[in-house]
Amino acid sequence: QQQVKQSPQSLIVQKGGISIINCAYENTAFDYFPWYQQFPGKGPALLIAIRPDVSEKKEGRFTISFNKSAKQFSLHIMDSQPGDSATYFCAATIYNFNKFYFGSGTKLNVKP
Amino acid sequence: GAGVSQSPSNKVTEKGKDVELRCDPISGHTALYWYRQSLGQGLEFLIYFQGNSAPDKSGLPSDRFSAERTGGSVSTLTIQRTQQEDSAVYLCASSFGQALSYEQYFGPGTRLTVT
Repeated sequence: QQQVKQSPQSLIVQKGGISIINCAYENTAFDYFPWYQQFPGKGPALLIAIRPDVSEKKEGRFTISFNKSAKQFSLHIMDSQPGDSATYFCAATIYNFNKFYFGSGTKLNVKP
Repeated sequence: GAGVSQSPSNKVTEKGKDVELRCDPISGHTALYWYRQSLGQGLEFLIYFQGNSAPDKSGLPSDRFSAERTGGSVSTLTIQRTQQEDSAVYLCASSFGQALSYEQYFGPGTRLTVT
């Protein structure tokens, strides 16, 4: 059973556009939701994370929107750049717990 | 500037052979994770080490998989009698402590191909 469902599987956006990646979860005990960015041949790197006590978190061009009632969260990349082309993973876990549950990933391609 | 390193970067092996994958975490990091990333899939948790505590092995897919961490530092993931479905990228990550409190730093992974 997939704990975190991510969509779309792939995404093509023009430079300067907005990239939106969505994730949904079932376990209401989850209370930490990070996003990771992975370039080819590299391991994932933490991009931004949110706790459910806020509905939005913004860091530069990257924003997480969180909807607790719908059990959904999304990553928005504003003014997308070719350098943002990578695979993005959402994840969820329970505070002070060891196991992270990852989405299946979204391959983003930003066209110049 | 030492990040997490993994070796080998690529490994091709024949079905039925045993393989060992190595992870060198960042110095001072007490927590170490192994994940498996199959093509088109997310990261699948395999095992977690925290200091001297007993590891959380709940993610290991079968008894052919095992891992150890010597001296609280280097870790080795061993896959016995490899099968074609074991082909994947195996990622190691380390952090200072409980994963929630401290960021996980990932290595570049070992790409395993079982022929």
